[in-house]
Amino acid sequence: NAGVTQTPKFRVLKTGQSMTLLCAQDMNHEYMYWYRQDPGMGLRLIHYSVGEGTTAKGEVPDGYNVSRLKKQNFLLGLESAAPSQTSVYFCASRTLDRPNTEAFFGQGTRLTVV
Amino acid sequence: AQRVTQPEKLLSVFKGAPVELKCNYSYSGSPELFWYVQYSRQRLQLLLRHISRESIKGFTADLNKGETSFHLKKPFAQEEDSAMYYCALSGWLDTGRRALTFGSGTRLQVQP
Repeated sequence: NAGVTQTPKFRVLKTGQSMTLLCAQDMNHEYMYWYRQDPGMGLRLIHYSVGEGTTAKGEVPDGYNVSRLKKQNFLLGLESAAPSQTSVYFCASRTLDRPNTEAFFGQGTRLTVV
Repeated sequence: AQRVTQPEKLLSVFKGAPVELKCNYSYSGSPELFWYVQYSRQRLQLLLRHISRESIKGFTADLNKGETSFHLKKPFAQEEDSAMYYCALSGWLDTGRRALTFGSGTRLQVQP
């Protein structure tokens, strides 16, 4: 099983460039999340989605946009990249058809903005 | 609002020593609490959840609602336990949606 797959794995952007990170899951999960991981700050929630066509802001949404046009895909967009967005980005998915379910993570995308 | 606090950024112990990774939470309802682990160059994975009251790889964690804590413990650390550990809380937001909030993480180093 593929689980949660993120593309790309690495990317270097110049300030002001745009890009889209793709997260795909094959587990039919309702919930999907985008986090950024920074040293000393752990995982911070950027945006999340509770189902196809719905998205919501997390803790640090500024500078990012998301879309969930299909249940299995959750896209994270950076319209105008800034050096402060240099980070490792993780996508996760989860079902909530019962309590205390596990979140499954992608392998991460390391983004550097120069 | 829900919050998870892990006060230690780094915990360094010798092999065979006991380990306790601290986690405190803030949440007004009944929380779902988890510990996730990230080994070097691997993705985050679930270690254990409070509802299961299980021991995984020798680790246990007890929910203490009075102290709002969910500390992770292991009596005898092994070198292969070296990793980044995250405490996480799943709770309902005012929006009627459930968010998964992580602490800042604690890096455990087990020295030979």
